[in-house]
Amino acid sequence: EVQLVQSRAEVKRPGESLRISCETSGFTFTSYWIAWVRQMPGKGLEWMGIFYPGDSDTRYSPSFQGQVTISVDKSLNTAHLQWSSLKASDSAIYYCARRAGTGWEPEAYFDFWGQGTLVTVSS
Amino acid sequence: SYVLTQPPSVSVAPGQTAIITCGGDNIESRGVHWYQQKPGQAPVVVVYDDVARPSGIPERFFGSNSGNTATLTIRRVEAGDEAEYFCQVWDKNTDHYVFGTGTKVTVL
Repeated sequence: EVQLVQSRAEVKRPGESLRISCETSGFTFTSYWIAWVRQMPGKGLEWMGIFYPGDSDTRYSPSFQGQVTISVDKSLNTAHLQWSSLKASDSAIYYCARRAGTGWEPEAYFDFWGQGTLVTVSS
Repeated sequence: SYVLTQPPSVSVAPGQTAIITCGGDNIESRGVHWYQQKPGQAPVVVVYDDVARPSGIPERFFGSNSGNTATLTIRRVEAGDEAEYFCQVWDKNTDHYVFGTGTKVTVL
């Protein structure tokens, strides 16, 4: 059974760093692209970036380039999303999602999603 | 950047048909995917590649894509269909993924 299980909710102060996780199971981690999606309170879905553990190929949305870092730990089949200095505007739910299809199939959809991690940044 | 526009809301009585549109420049040249998101839950794909349904999704969910508009049709709407629906494509010009603005479906 394919599963993406995300780390717990976080409450942080502006300027602090944070890394959230997406632990996967039930499939060959290095064969699928993993994406991160932001959902601000009461808003829509925003694609942040996507990572291919097979060769570490990473693509970022221009809106998030330089603001976050996507990484993986292949030994733990886990993807990470990291901030070095949080802002209040980073408060949102963050989802990881597996892109269907192995290899280079960019038009494929996101077939499995994590449950989301709520990040709250407040002074 | 590529933009996908959806109506903010659609209201429909039980048993009737809900039609959700997703507008984008020459969207018919792209594969469109539709996600259903209920409050407090992660999105779930209901239609992919314009017209395909994942296993477990009722035949009441029907997708189409022509010209500048992709459409998700939900026939014989049930109370459980009340949710927000998002369309999504991959923009080949920028190699980026794009979500629509989202449509809240309310079952009267």
